[in-house]
Amino acid sequence: DQQVKQNSPSLSVQEGRISILNCDYTNSMFDYFLWYKKYPAEGPTFLISISSIKDKNEDGRFTVFLNKSAKHLSLHIVPSQPGDSAVYFCAASAGQGGSEKLVFGKGTKLTVNP
Amino acid sequence: ETGVTQSPTHLIKTRGQQVTLRCSSQSGHNTVSWYQQALGQGPQFIFQYYREEENGRGNFPPRFSGLQFPNYSSELNVNALELDDSALYLCASSLGGNIYEQYFGPGTRLTVT
Repeated sequence: DQQVKQNSPSLSVQEGRISILNCDYTNSMFDYFLWYKKYPAEGPTFLISISSIKDKNEDGRFTVFLNKSAKHLSLHIVPSQPGDSAVYFCAASAGQGGSEKLVFGKGTKLTVNP
Repeated sequence: ETGVTQSPTHLIKTRGQQVTLRCSSQSGHNTVSWYQQALGQGPQFIFQYYREEENGRGNFPPRFSGLQFPNYSSELNVNALELDDSALYLCASSLGGNIYEQYFGPGTRLTVT
């Protein structure tokens, strides 16, 4: 039972263009969502997050959009850079940051071509 | 400031054996969470240790156990290894049981043959 789904295993975009990574979830109790970036041989690195009380959060080139009715969130990277090439994981939590676990999707491998 | 470190980097074990993986948390952090990332999957939460006590556990059998030491470093122990235990094991440190501001180590790649 996959509660967090990233249906695109890979995505390829040109440098300077927009990258859009998608994530769907099934558990309506999730109230906090995070995106992590992972380079090979490194651990995941936190990128950006959003609470369920918001529908958008922006941090520089990265924006996360949340559509609660559709149980869908997306990460927009504008403009995309070759250094953004990595695996991106969407994660969700049903707690308040305590011992509630994070549930991760399978990840989307982003390749940004120069 | 020292980041999260894990040892060993790679490990090969035989089915039925036992393994211990180690994690040193980031300076100032008192919480360590462990995750299993199988090939092609996202990280899956195993358990969390906060101030030397288990503070939440995922859907893993009891043969997965852990410890946290007074210096907040941690061990993950897996008994009676199975082939499906082959995975990247990640630890993440944070403060106060927080799971939102976690810093991950590079992981230990475990292969069970």
